[in-house]
Formats: sequence, structure tokens, C-alpha cells
Amino acid sequence: GDSVTQMEGPVTLSEEAFLTINCTYTATGYPSLFWYVQYPGEGLQLLLKATKADDKGSNKGFEATYRKETTSFHLEKGSVQVSDSAVYFCALKASSNYQLIWGAGTKLIIKP
Amino acid sequence: ETGVTQSPTHLIKTRGQQVTLRCSSQSGHNTVSWYQQALGQGPQFIFQYYREEENGRGNFPPRFSGLQFPNYSSELNVNALELDDSALYLCASSLVRSKAEAFFGQGTRLTVV
Repeated sequence: GDSVTQMEGPVTLSEEAFLTINCTYTATGYPSLFWYVQYPGEGLQLLLKATKADDKGSNKGFEATYRKETTSFHLEKGSVQVSDSAVYFCALKASSNYQLIWGAGTKLIIKP
Repeated sequence: ETGVTQSPTHLIKTRGQQVTLRCSSQSGHNTVSWYQQALGQGPQFIFQYYREEENGRGNFPPRFSGLQFPNYSSELNVNALELDDSALYLCASSLVRSKAEAFFGQGTRLTVV
């Protein structure tokens, strides 16, 4: 079945460092791909999305490119801030399905 | 434009009891999905409602049931609560289009003791 695999955390970085959180997926057809962020004690917020191959989603300095050839959707940011500390989830929605399939989440800790 | 709102935010119940969680969908959204998120894990899909009918279900027992009302708001009911039901319950609203993103509420933290 469909699945999402994320790099394990926690990922600890210093402020202004470059961030990459890896995400790969398995799915039939052409899924839509999403990154959500969850701050402590809160629900999930959509960070960015891409709906077809080679699309680049971007928001708040974060970017991710839908790579069908490598079935990946890695999250990147050029310069992280302490306020980016949160748990990041990669998810997919298959074109023939109605539910989001989630990765396990990656906790990001940014130190000043 | 109002976002997704859930109530209550926190709840403590005793094993064997029943609970009802509520969700108001984002304005204009006709589809509501419910997810269970255990501590330190990703969300697990419970079910989805569209036009007041269940439109898909994950691997959850029948004691998890739901409703959707004509205004698209929704309820999640859990009967015969078990300790393992302790989790954050998330409601998400969206349009039914397959590529549509889902918008989440802040969740209801359920603790079963």
C-alpha cells in the first residue's frame, strides 16, 4: 500500500543553519504531496504542497520539490530560526484515495 | 473566513465510558476527516464524511463512529473507551477534490484513565 518514510529525529541545528528533512514515498498513480508542521500542543498546519511531478511548493522560506524519478519530497530551508522548532510531517494523498498517508514526523530543534 | 474549530480542547474519561468530540469545518468546505494521533506518532486516519455519509474508513473498530450535519460540522463518537484511545484527535476539513489540501483544527486531547 501507499506509505511515507521520513528521516528520524530529532534533528538539532544552530540558528541560521541549512535544513534538509528527507521524505520518500511509495504510491500508485500520481499522488499530491504535503508538508505539515505541528508546534507543541497544537494541531497541524499546512506548510506547503505540490500536486504534480517537478512542482515546487514553498512557504515561509521552506521549499520542497516533487521528484517522481526518486519518489522524494525533501523539505529544505536556507537559514533556520529558533521559531522553526517543531515537528514536521510529510504526507501524501493518492489520486484514487480520500485519506492522507503520513510519515512518522521529524522533530526539529533549533538552538540559538 | 473561519478556520476549523474543535471542542473540547481537553477531556478526561474513565475506561468504558463514551465520548463525543465536535468539529466545525472551515467555511466552504464540504468534507470532514478525523484522525487519531498517539503521542510521538503521525496521525492515523479514522474516517471521512462527505454529504453526511461516511466516505471512507481506516482500520478502526466500529465503536468509533461519526456524524456529519447539513452545515458540514461533524462529531466523532467513541464507545467503550479503552486506555489505548488516549490520543490527540484531529479534525480536518477540505473540499472533496482529490488534490485538495486538508486544514486541521487544534485537536482534542483525550485522556482515558
